[in-house]
Amino acid sequence: QKEVEQNSGPLSVPEGAIASLNCTYSDRGSQSFFWYRQYSGKSPELIMFIYSNGDKEDGRFTAQLNKASQYVSLLIRDSQPSDSATYLCAATDRGSTLGRLYFGRGTQLTVWP
Amino acid sequence: EPEVTQTPSHQVTQMGQEVILRCVPISNHLYFYWYRQILGQKVEFLVSFYNNEISEKSEIFDDQFSVERPDGSNFTLKIRSTKLEDSAMYFCASSVLGGAGTDTQYFGPGTRLTVL
Repeated sequence: QKEVEQNSGPLSVPEGAIASLNCTYSDRGSQSFFWYRQYSGKSPELIMFIYSNGDKEDGRFTAQLNKASQYVSLLIRDSQPSDSATYLCAATDRGSTLGRLYFGRGTQLTVWP
Repeated sequence: EPEVTQTPSHQVTQMGQEVILRCVPISNHLYFYWYRQILGQKVEFLVSFYNNEISEKSEIFDDQFSVERPDGSNFTLKIRSTKLEDSAMYFCASSVLGGAGTDTQYFGPGTRLTVL
């Protein structure tokens, strides 16, 4: 059974701080990793994807991938109250024909002013 | 910016009734997916679809479920005889490359299905 695990939180940080979200995955065959943001009652919204070991930066967001440790993280710099949401980590399955996504339960982030 | 759209936003039905959830994928996307999310739980894959055929389906996608692309724009999910446990948010997603390379899936706003 392929699993993606995340700390459910809640994670609470003050405005302007760095929020660090973590994710581990069970299948070494997973190749692509995604971070989605989900506001309550809404659909997942893609923030970033990462395929290669190391860091990938996009604005205030940095994704980190360590395939040896089967670990993915998302850093949010200069956190804003509008970043308050649930962050979903997802991985694709190498054996999947069309890139089926496996999701974690999500980490709830609250950024307080 | 192109978006995946879904209708209806909320569907209430009686147990045992058939429901059809509709999706319009992004226009240049050829690969389509359905996921569902039971309240408070993970987003779960149901099925993927390409070239008018199911490519992959999960153990959730049993004989009560079917998908169809009835025309050039719509992609539908049918649940033949709904059960209480089918109550969930159903998300349609589409992608350009079907999981290859740097492909990403874009999600629609979802249909909340409530089975009474």
